[in-house]
Amino acid sequence: DTGVSQNPRHKITKRGQNVTFRCDPISEHNRLYWYRQTLGQGPEFLTYFQNEAQLEKSRLLSDRFSAERPKGSFSTLEIQRTEQGDSAMYLCASSEQDTQYFGPGTRLTVL
Amino acid sequence: AQSVSQHNHHVILSEAASLELGCNYSYGGTVNLFWYVQYPGQHLQLLLKYFSGDPLVKGIKGFEAEFIKSKFSFNLRKPSVQWSDTAEYFCAVYLYNQGGKLIFGQGTELSVKP
Repeated sequence: DTGVSQNPRHKITKRGQNVTFRCDPISEHNRLYWYRQTLGQGPEFLTYFQNEAQLEKSRLLSDRFSAERPKGSFSTLEIQRTEQGDSAMYLCASSEQDTQYFGPGTRLTVL
Repeated sequence: AQSVSQHNHHVILSEAASLELGCNYSYGGTVNLFWYVQYPGQHLQLLLKYFSGDPLVKGIKGFEAEFIKSKFSFNLRKPSVQWSDTAEYFCAVYLYNQGGKLIFGQGTELSVKP
């Protein structure tokens, strides 16, 4: 499978815990995007990378959120001190040019 | 702020009926336009896209969309739906001068009755 992969697929955590998600983009895609999707809504942009450089962060990305793409390949999204409002599907997408291809997402449930 | 509006939240059709899902965006600059589909239990998949040229674009599975610049619209159509088209459909706009992020509409859930 050469598509975008995300791990884990599901994560249940207690409020206040830290969680980390991983995204492996399509090989040689230089752009990587993170989105968040809540029930009944379309995905909302969080941040994106061109190679290893994080070029834009949404206002949705509070100080508790941090994303990295250390070698320009896979990326991680960490949420510290999770809150119930963080419960959502976290989507990763990658692109070489203008078309983004999405992974299956990580569904986070904060109890 | 840029936004994408999908007019219908939930559409219910019988098989063989024609489909049109509305999408309007608010952005005056150059855009690329996309429709993505999410089948039950699956991830978002690209259905079709418009970058430039012929405003009528054809996608997979018999879908097409028409870009009308004057109306800021990019409506999705299919002449005859099948039960397997049951899914959620998202319209999205790619903003060139804003890092290439996608702005999505809220989605339209399509239910096709066999």
